[in-house]
Amino acid sequence: EDKVVQSPLSLVVHEGDTVTLNCSYEVTNFRSLLWYKQEKKAPTFLFMLTSSGIEKKSGRLSSILDKKELFSILNITATQTGDSAVYLCAVLRRTNAGKSTFGDGTTLTVKP
Amino acid sequence: DAEITQSPRHKITETGRQVTLACHQTWNHNNMFWYRQDLGHGLRLIHYSYGVQDTNKGEVSDGYSVSRSNTEDLPLTLESAASSQTSVYFCASSVTGLDTQYFGPGTRLTVL
Repeated sequence: EDKVVQSPLSLVVHEGDTVTLNCSYEVTNFRSLLWYKQEKKAPTFLFMLTSSGIEKKSGRLSSILDKKELFSILNITATQTGDSAVYLCAVLRRTNAGKSTFGDGTTLTVKP
Repeated sequence: DAEITQSPRHKITETGRQVTLACHQTWNHNNMFWYRQDLGHGLRLIHYSYGVQDTNKGEVSDGYSVSRSNTEDLPLTLESAASSQTSVYFCASSVTGLDTQYFGPGTRLTVL
């Protein structure tokens, strides 16, 4: 059975801090790992990672995948209150394409 | 602009009633998905479709059904609603099964 574990479950930081969110996975026929941000509404796409060691970056957010150790990290630098959200990690298989498995999410709270 | 919509946004129903949640996308995506999200948890896949007349069961499909008669719509039916089906339901679509999924705004369903 596919498994995605995110840590920590919740995190409280102050504006300006840097945070690292973790996602480890066990999945048969791994294809991609995706990160989503969910505020009080639908998840929105952040990154898709397919290859090991290649950092994806968007502004203050960056993410990298380690396919040998089966994990990914999402970094947020210089956090702002608008970064407060639940961050979801999901994995896609090569087979049964589209049948993604999600972790339970990390709830990030950024205090002013 | 292309989009994905869900209706109703909120629904309260009684145990045993049949309920249908609508999902409509204008991106012409082949793949559509239904998830449920319970408090403090990630997303769990209910059903998915790779195209017209194609439907597949996800990890929590018991008590739910879908049909795909055209590209744009994937309605989700609860045959006989149960209190355990109280949840937030998200519809999503993607170009292929190996791409990021774009989510609708969600439907909050309460079964009394």
